[in-house]
Amino acid sequence: ETGVTQTPRHLVMGMTNKKSLKCEQHLGHNAMYWYKQSAKKPLELMFVYNFKEQTENNSVPSRFSPECPNSSHLFLHLHTLQPEDSALYLCASSPGNEQFFGPGTRLTVL
Amino acid sequence: QKEVEQNSGPLSVPEGAIASLNCTYSDRGSQSFFWYRQYSGKSPELIMFIYSNGDKEDGRFTAQLNKASQYVSLLIRDSQPSDSATYLCAVEDYSGGSNYKLTFGKGTLLTVNP
Repeated sequence: ETGVTQTPRHLVMGMTNKKSLKCEQHLGHNAMYWYKQSAKKPLELMFVYNFKEQTENNSVPSRFSPECPNSSHLFLHLHTLQPEDSALYLCASSPGNEQFFGPGTRLTVL
Repeated sequence: QKEVEQNSGPLSVPEGAIASLNCTYSDRGSQSFFWYRQYSGKSPELIMFIYSNGDKEDGRFTAQLNKASQYVSLLIRDSQPSDSATYLCAVEDYSGGSNYKLTFGKGTLLTVNP
């Protein structure tokens, strides 16, 4: 257990659905991250938040919409996704340069 | 585009042997390097980090860094079947202030055979 939790752990959605992924950390870390992990590919950084402010959007399609209401919570809102968006979505938090990952949400888009 | 290269493997070693995992990186200015272990179906777990040239030991794990060659490695001594996992190399991409990012390699799959 790293102290980073993610819900749900598994999600199946249709292309017309709207869903949200949630990440929570109470470690006092100031930075939070969303990553996408697909088979045979490196971890892809999607978004970075520092002290609730977005500091990185790695050319992510607008069908992914992040939200960081406070330094402990991070959301990823999903709408009109494509089958190729099926992947493991990982949240991480960091006090500096070491990152600690949550368990991930396994997303399947039908 | 900063790159981190790892052999995808699989790397297969017998139990009790030394497993050697290698990583090269493209950004000569990188300062911090991390090794994560990821079991199948699980999330990455930080196992080692190294900032200075040379060796850093933690139990059965030794990280080695050579900034001149842009090379970082992880040695696992007395390998155990429980070490079977994918090992991810990550390199820090620091853009100032509190803006830390990591660039990950694809990972090397290690299998330790009993």
